[in-house]
Amino acid sequence: DARVTQTPRDKVTEMGQEVTMRCQPILGHNTVFWYRQTMMQGLELLAYFRNRAPLDDSGMPKDRFSAEMPDATLATLKIQPSEPRDSAVYFCASGLASGANTGELFFGEGSRLTVL
Amino acid sequence: TQLLEQSPQFLSIQEGENLTVYCNSSSVFSSLQWYRQEPGEGPVLLVTVVTGGEVKKLKRLTFQFGDARKDSSLHITAAQPGDTGLYLCAGARDSWGKLQFGAGTQVVVTP
Repeated sequence: DARVTQTPRDKVTEMGQEVTMRCQPILGHNTVFWYRQTMMQGLELLAYFRNRAPLDDSGMPKDRFSAEMPDATLATLKIQPSEPRDSAVYFCASGLASGANTGELFFGEGSRLTVL
Repeated sequence: TQLLEQSPQFLSIQEGENLTVYCNSSSVFSSLQWYRQEPGEGPVLLVTVVTGGEVKKLKRLTFQFGDARKDSSLHITAAQPGDTGLYLCAGARDSWGKLQFGAGTQVVVTP
């Protein structure tokens, strides 16, 4: 049963601490997305990788957020230092894209981050 | 400002009624998708439309892509409590398939 796996599911931390979220995309998928979901903003695109190359991270606050794919089985999203306004559910999604055809995105269950 | 505007934001109806959710933009999309999200879970794909004017049916759900590929609608016939959820439209504009989402429409169907 192929699925996107995210850890941690829940994280409570204090302002100023470093937070790392991890995602294991579905094997064989060539795209990975990081989204942040809040009641006010909905699903915001933070970063987008295709074949492990970062294509777009314009949605991320560059001074504190970083996203990487060290290998095809792992994507990471790091926040350093974290702030209360970063509190949200962070979703990772993977898919198999061809050209401009996005294909179906498969989402993980999300990482709920609370920064106190 | 959302690239994709969804309306209404919230919809509460009785079982058996019909409903329509709209997704509008000033931009042209190469493809548009609809997802449904339930509490504590990630969104799940319902349908993808790629051709202007395309209509797709999924049981009691009917999806339409506008002729100009800038807007879409989702119509549910005879809604059931199991249709309750957050409905999200998502569009890809660039040649790399970057997918951006609307804010969503929360649908509540009561028995």
